[in-house]
Amino acid sequence: AQSVSQHNHHVILSEAASLELGCNYSYGGTVNLFWYVQYPGQHLQLLLKYFSGDPLVKGIKGFEAEFIKSKFSFNLRKPSVQWSDTAEYFCAVMSGNFNKFYFGSGTKLNVKP
Amino acid sequence: DAGVTQSPTHLIKTRGQQVTLRCSPKSGHDTVSWYQQALGQGPQFIFQYYEEEERQRGNFPDRFSGHQFPNYSSELNVNALLLGDSALYLCASSLWGISYNEQFFGPGTRLTVL
Repeated sequence: AQSVSQHNHHVILSEAASLELGCNYSYGGTVNLFWYVQYPGQHLQLLLKYFSGDPLVKGIKGFEAEFIKSKFSFNLRKPSVQWSDTAEYFCAVMSGNFNKFYFGSGTKLNVKP
Repeated sequence: DAGVTQSPTHLIKTRGQQVTLRCSPKSGHDTVSWYQQALGQGPQFIFQYYEEEERQRGNFPDRFSGHQFPNYSSELNVNALLLGDSALYLCASSLWGISYNEQFFGPGTRLTVL
């Protein structure tokens, strides 16, 4: 069975600091990769996704992620975080064509103003 | 264009009872997936419906069942509730068979089992 690991459970940063959230998955076949964000009191929203092509993917709100196939990783980055980035971030992997998602346990990001 | 909607927002039940949760997919979507998100965890896949049939199932007991209607809306039923069933239940919709597809999530139903 697939698994998705998010190593950082809780991250606290000051505004303007750089962010990198780790995500590793276990699956040897073709995968599609996603980062979702859940702002306080809101539902899950897509930040960015990777299906093929350029392994560096840019998403909304200045976020980007890099797919490194050899490391089974899809880390999320942002050069300079804002207080409004305070949220929980979930990495997800979809295998094959069946729209079945495997989610990591999430990382809570707290940005101090 | 309405996104994914779920009802009710919150629900309180006691052990042994049965519960039905409802989901309407985003306009144009034909596939509905259900997830359970326990406190402090990521969403766990329960099952997926397309063309009114369960197409895939995660590692959940038979107490969890579902249905999809001709208008693509869906229900999740849980029988013989346990305390451990307390969680946020998420519905997500998508288009069947498109590999680059993303899932759109609803706000969830918070179920508390006492």
